[in-house]
Amino acid sequence: DQQVKQNSPSLSVQEGRISILNCDYTNSMFDYFLWYKKYPAEGPTFLISISSIKDKNEDGRFTVFLNKSAKHLSLHIVPSQPGDSAVYFCATWDSSYKLIFGSGTRLLVRP
Amino acid sequence: DGGITQSPKYLFRKEGQNVTLSCEQNLNHDAMYWYRQDPGQGLRLIYYSQIVNDFQKGDIAEGYSVSREKKESFPLTVTSAQKNPTAFYLCASNTGGGGQPQHFGDGTRLSIL
Repeated sequence: DQQVKQNSPSLSVQEGRISILNCDYTNSMFDYFLWYKKYPAEGPTFLISISSIKDKNEDGRFTVFLNKSAKHLSLHIVPSQPGDSAVYFCATWDSSYKLIFGSGTRLLVRP
Repeated sequence: DGGITQSPKYLFRKEGQNVTLSCEQNLNHDAMYWYRQDPGQGLRLIYYSQIVNDFQKGDIAEGYSVSREKKESFPLTVTSAQKNPTAFYLCASNTGGGGQPQHFGDGTRLSIL
């Protein structure tokens, strides 16, 4: 049973618009979440994180929102750029300090 | 430049053959990890090591083996027992413990001849 779910396998947005990538989790004990970005044939790169003591964390064009009651987090990218086209994974730590990844969402930003 | 180096980038395996994927890091990280990625799927943990000379099985360890004789190195052997080895393999490291993002290498793509 997936503990971290990204239900949208793909997303397409116009350049300059907002991209919203969603992630749901099942365990209310999870308290730290990360987003990774991955280009083809490369390793994922860490993008942004959020602790459960916050409901928002912002870094330039990237903002992550956390809704603990709904066990939901989202990554907002605004404005979206063609170079943002990649696969985005949300992840969280389990009790053994292992990262649990979602299945990823492929973002395409159209020029 | 500090980072994680995986080699080779592409690897081909014959039926019944063991192959070893290399992972080296110069980040002075205590913990290292091996993941497997299949098309349309997330990353699944194969093995991880929190400290030298110690490692634990991840979610899909069957058909794989590892060693951690040096802090910098965490090689992964894909044995002939792994029936579906074709995948993209990623190595990662961090300082250990929770809350520290993992840094990834650029991966090795393994294919079966």
